[in-house]
Amino acid sequence: QKEVEQDPGPLSVPEGAIVSLNCTYSNSAFQYFMWYRQYSRKGPELLMYTYSSGNKEDGRFTAQVDKSSKYISLFIRDSQPSDSATYLCAMSARGAGSYQLTFGKGTKLSVIP
Amino acid sequence: EAQVTQNPRYLITVTGKKLTVTCSQNMNHEYMSWYRQDPGLGLRQIYYSMNVEVTDKGDVPEGYKVSRKEKRNFPLILESPSPNQTSLYFCASSLRRDTEAFFGQGTRLTVV
Repeated sequence: QKEVEQDPGPLSVPEGAIVSLNCTYSNSAFQYFMWYRQYSRKGPELLMYTYSSGNKEDGRFTAQVDKSSKYISLFIRDSQPSDSATYLCAMSARGAGSYQLTFGKGTKLSVIP
Repeated sequence: EAQVTQNPRYLITVTGKKLTVTCSQNMNHEYMSWYRQDPGLGLRQIYYSMNVEVTDKGDVPEGYKVSRKEKRNFPLILESPSPNQTSLYFCASSLRRDTEAFFGQGTRLTVV
């Protein structure tokens, strides 16, 4: 079983829809959870960052972490064509001895006008 | 402007010809990493560095070398490139191990 599982999609939604993106993980040591957005031919950029269970909201984006289920989600409200990109979840564990980010494979999202 | 700069952006080379991809950050970050991104496999960490002269292997280090002689630079070295190293490479830096990673624009490498 891979450490981080993410449905690669592609996912196609109409403009204005609510989008739900998800990742599951197996390593209970993961403490930090991130969502990155990657446009075509660009490097990933951080969207959301959390280190505890619960919800975190930033504008149209909400990140949700459920550590008991080892499940994280990213919700996008009122989706826009500019949200069309690949979304990557990423996680890292606590501990001073390493600096490793483990990424999901990414979900490609298209928002159709 | 805060950024991570990689060079070159595109590179085509032949098997066995040593090459270096440079990475430089202007944010005084301690942590730097190299990743490769392949279709169906996602982003995988090659090497990382937590400070000057401190480097360690990530998930896929075979065939790569790195060095961290200065805080701002973290070059990726392929001593003898092979076709299976054809990929999209990203350098990233972070202020601390638990903060946001800033990524460069990527280097698309083709080994023929």
